[in-house]
Amino acid sequence: GQQVQQSPASLVLQEGENAELQCNFSSTATRLQWFYQHPGGRLVSLFYNPSGTKHTGRLTSTTVTNERRSSLHISSSQTTDSGTYFCAIWTGGLSGKLTFGEGTQVTVIS
Amino acid sequence: DMKVTQMPRYLIKRMGENVLLECGQDMSHETMYWYRQDPGLGLQLIYISYDVDSNSEGDIPKGYRVSRKKREHFSLILDSAKTNQTSVYFCASSLLGTSSNERLFFGHGTKLSVL
Repeated sequence: GQQVQQSPASLVLQEGENAELQCNFSSTATRLQWFYQHPGGRLVSLFYNPSGTKHTGRLTSTTVTNERRSSLHISSSQTTDSGTYFCAIWTGGLSGKLTFGEGTQVTVIS
Repeated sequence: DMKVTQMPRYLIKRMGENVLLECGQDMSHETMYWYRQDPGLGLQLIYISYDVDSNSEGDIPKGYRVSRKKREHFSLILDSAKTNQTSVYFCASSLLGTSSNERLFFGHGTKLSVL
């Protein structure tokens, strides 16, 4: 079954609005990461957040491992935040691999 | 300058032709990956390489093979490409595949169209 599920699938924001993206996963041993994909395709790592809360700029990630969920909060959204946000978990034990969710497409309009 | 470079950026091939996608990284990372991205499916792992000549199938290896003869290069090969292999292919690298604080670096992607 699906190991990583993200919601919503897409989101439209007015510039300045806040948003919360959700990620649910099937394993408690996750080493969860959040990625951002630019509209042009480039993928960048945002957070490595296996548990707890982390901040960078206007982004906050909170992972509650025993509830198998993580969220990404975007505050005061800007048009440059538009793109697709993926969460991913490590699966497969020692010789692991990163398994991605289907992503949340965010569009911020001015 | 930490970088993952993919070549080419765009490629059009006919069904049945062979395809070679190349990836290089300048960070001496041990682990490299090939993913494909299709609408509504996120990124799916094709192959993972833990070092030179140490490759492992991912979730969707059928129809693909890989080659890693040097640590900095990881190639994805499609022998006799099929139309359902039209996709965007991403290469990535990381220092160690199993580290507890692993960050992946991605290339820009190769958009492959198989006609």
